[in-house]
Amino acid sequence: NAGVTQTPKFQVLKTGQSMTLQCAQDMNHEYMSWYRQDPGMGLRLIHYSVGAGITDQGEVPNGYNVSRSTTEDFPLRLLSAAPSQTSVYFCASSYTGSGQGFYEQYFGPGTRLTVT
Amino acid sequence: KQEVTQIPAALSVPEGENLVLNCSFTDSAIYNLQWFRQDPGKGLTSLLLIQSSQREQTSGRLNASLDKSSGRSTLYIAASQPGDSATYLCAVSPRSNDYKLSFGAGTTVTVRA
Repeated sequence: NAGVTQTPKFQVLKTGQSMTLQCAQDMNHEYMSWYRQDPGMGLRLIHYSVGAGITDQGEVPNGYNVSRSTTEDFPLRLLSAAPSQTSVYFCASSYTGSGQGFYEQYFGPGTRLTVT
Repeated sequence: KQEVTQIPAALSVPEGENLVLNCSFTDSAIYNLQWFRQDPGKGLTSLLLIQSSQREQTSGRLNASLDKSSGRSTLYIAASQPGDSATYLCAVSPRSNDYKLSFGAGTTVTVRA
């Protein structure tokens, strides 16, 4: 199993540009999520999904879009990048046990994004 | 809103000393709590997951306890080694039908050889 994979590893954008961060998992997990990690602030949830076609907002969703057409993939789109979106982005996945809450979370290696 | 706090933010100990890492949370209505390890420039690796009905969970040199009523969890690492140097984060899962994990900011541990 490859686990959770993320591409690209590094990205530099100019303000106003758009891009998509890719996330894929091969563990057949229902739950997938995106976090951003900023110094001293821990991880903050951006968006999450509990299955194909189902997404919801987390703590800091503004400026980001998601969709989930397959169980395996959960891309994160930045429509118009801003310097405040400079961060490290992590994708995670987990079983959800049919509404019984989280099981162990598996994280990808992260994407380091700089917006100038 | 669930607030998760980890104190201290950084800790330095000599090799062989036992490590005690603290995690506190404001809302005791949790489903489970996880401890993660993060190495510099890397993603998070799950260490232990404690269900709300459990008091502790063990894996090798790691032991995590949970006291829901006081809103606290403690991660113990016995006989620390330089390879234990990393940032340790705790995360709290809310009710079973609410999938928004709340993370602490982490404790960065340095084990001196």
